Order: sequence, then C-alpha cells, then structure tokens
Amino acid sequence: DGGITQSPKYLFRKEGQNVTLSCEQNLNHDAMYWYRQDPGQGLRLIYYSQIVNDFQKGDIAEGYSVSREKKESFPLTVTSAQKNPTAFYLCASSTTGAGSYEQYFGPGTRLTVT
Amino acid sequence: AQSVTQLGSHVSVSEGALVLLRCNYSSSVPPYLFWYVQYPNQGLQLLLKYTTGATLVKGINGFEAEFKKSETSFHLTKPSAHMSDAAEYFCAVSDQLRNAGNMLTFGGGTRLMVKP
Repeated sequence: DGGITQSPKYLFRKEGQNVTLSCEQNLNHDAMYWYRQDPGQGLRLIYYSQIVNDFQKGDIAEGYSVSREKKESFPLTVTSAQKNPTAFYLCASSTTGAGSYEQYFGPGTRLTVT
Repeated sequence: AQSVTQLGSHVSVSEGALVLLRCNYSSSVPPYLFWYVQYPNQGLQLLLKYTTGATLVKGINGFEAEFKKSETSFHLTKPSAHMSDAAEYFCAVSDQLRNAGNMLTFGGGTRLMVKP
C-alpha cells in the first residue's frame, strides 16, 4: 500500500540533545512537508521541499533542520536550539504543478523532551 | 496572505443531530479549499475538497461542504452525527501565492464532541 510512514510513534529525549524524526513516502510525490502541532494551535509549517535537493523554511523553522537527498525521504532534526520542542510532528507529501493537490499525512511522531 | 478562521474551537452535538462546523477564509485569488479530520494521536485524513465547478462538495463519511464565494465560507455539515464522528476537524486553503497550489494554510481546528 502506498502511504507515508513516520517513525518512531513516540520519542523521548533529554533537553540539549538533537533528535531526528523520520519521514518516508512511497507515493512518488515531489513535495514533502513538516508541520508542528500543539494543543489548540492547529498546524504550523516548519519546512517544506518541492523537489529533491531543495527545501525552504516555513513559518517556524528556527531550531529545526531538514535534508532532502532522496525523493522518498525528508528527515527532520530537532536541534537543541529549539526552545520548546515537545509537540506532535506531522509529515505530509503531495504532487506539485498546475492545479491544486491535497496533502497526504503520515501518522505523526509525538516528541517529548524533558 | 491567505488565512483561515474556524469559528468555535469546540462544538458539541447529540448523536443524530446536525453537525455544522464553520470555516471562513481570506484569499486574493480563487481558492482551493479542503476539510481534514484528525482522530486522537493520528495524522490528518482528507474529508473533501473544492477546486472548481459544483459548489456543493460531498466527501467521505456522509460529510459535505458548500463553497460560498460571496460569504467567503466553506462550512462543513453532516445531517446526522454519529459517535464515530468525534474528532478534530481542520479547514485549509490552498496558498497559490506561495509557489504552488499544493501549499496549504490551516485553520486552528474545531474539536467535535458527540453526546450519546
């Protein structure tokens, strides 16, 4: 089945440690996205990539980094510079080009930093 | 810039009652509009979308939404609520100003509670 996988489902880290969240898709989508979700705040865009080897900052990129070396993969690193990293992180993908295409979401990773 | 406002962060209905979740948007270009549903600790699932054509859009699980340009609204409805409809619902607009129609701006979400 085609879809988006995120691993792990739950992640625990100590403050000051970097942590990388995995996102893989087999939908052959060009675009991939990372969102952060906090209670009562909806989804906020962290980074997005429209094509391999290229990515752009979203609305809340500070303290995060990404890479897009393969079409299928878009890992997110939460660095120690992120002041409040505890949140639910969602990865999504979509096609690109003319028209409008919905985003497909993974199951999410809940990160807890103590 | 485009924006989406969902009126009511929490909505409670009785089982069998009408569900109405409100969404208003602002956009300088004709919008593409989406409704997503999220169950606890899961990702978002597309309920329905409006791109062009018929303004009344039907989606999965008996939901539908109507695009009203004059009111800049895209409210989500379901005639009869079921317990399984309890979830969080997000309205989104396609941000065509940000490079491509695949960029979405999300509303803050509405949590739907269904009482037996």
